[in-house]
Amino acid sequence: NAGVTQTPKFQVLKTGQSMTLQCAQDMNHNSMYWYRQDPGMGLRLIYYSASEGTTDKGEVPNGYNVSRLNKREFSLRLESAAPSQTSVYFCASTDSIYPQYFGPGTRLLVL
Amino acid sequence: KNQVEQSPQSLIILEGKNCTLQCNYTVSPFSNLRWYKQDTGRGPVSLTIMTFSENTKSNGRYTATLDADTKQSSLHITASQLSDSASYICVVSAGGSGGYNKLIFGAGTRLAVHP
Repeated sequence: NAGVTQTPKFQVLKTGQSMTLQCAQDMNHNSMYWYRQDPGMGLRLIYYSASEGTTDKGEVPNGYNVSRLNKREFSLRLESAAPSQTSVYFCASTDSIYPQYFGPGTRLLVL
Repeated sequence: KNQVEQSPQSLIILEGKNCTLQCNYTVSPFSNLRWYKQDTGRGPVSLTIMTFSENTKSNGRYTATLDADTKQSSLHITASQLSDSASYICVVSAGGSGGYNKLIFGAGTRLAVHP
């Protein structure tokens, strides 16, 4: 039981490049979330998926898109990366309405 | 505006000592309050969760308190260990309709336990 896994662990992009952050959970949770964590600030919700086939915007969705590929996987895509998207990204999942299990994070640097 | 403020921002204590971390919130309507521990380079891990009617909850050497009247919570760590070195994040859930209750995260308190 790996819990929540994220790939890659670390990525460097140039401004304008695109990439997809992958997240998978093996706990059969319905709900999955993407957060970003910036220095001196609390985690902020980017997008969430309450169940397979549904996605909704969170607090800071601009510049991102998501796909709930199946019950296990929830990906986050940056179509045209900007330096302001330099951050640590966390995926989370839960079997209730509150995030409980977080992945190890993806550290993204946009130059 | 919904806000969660934590103090201090950082704290250094000696191994074996106790410490208390503070969390003040202005979140309405209030649903529950959680404390998370985040080790460096890792994702947050839940320590406790308290609803409106609970005023204390323990998890081993961690004890959280909640005063819903003053909108304050504290996390007390007893007999600290080196492994307690981490960031501690206070999270308040704002109740709402629909399938998602908005979570408001504090910026965290970074605790360093020295031998």
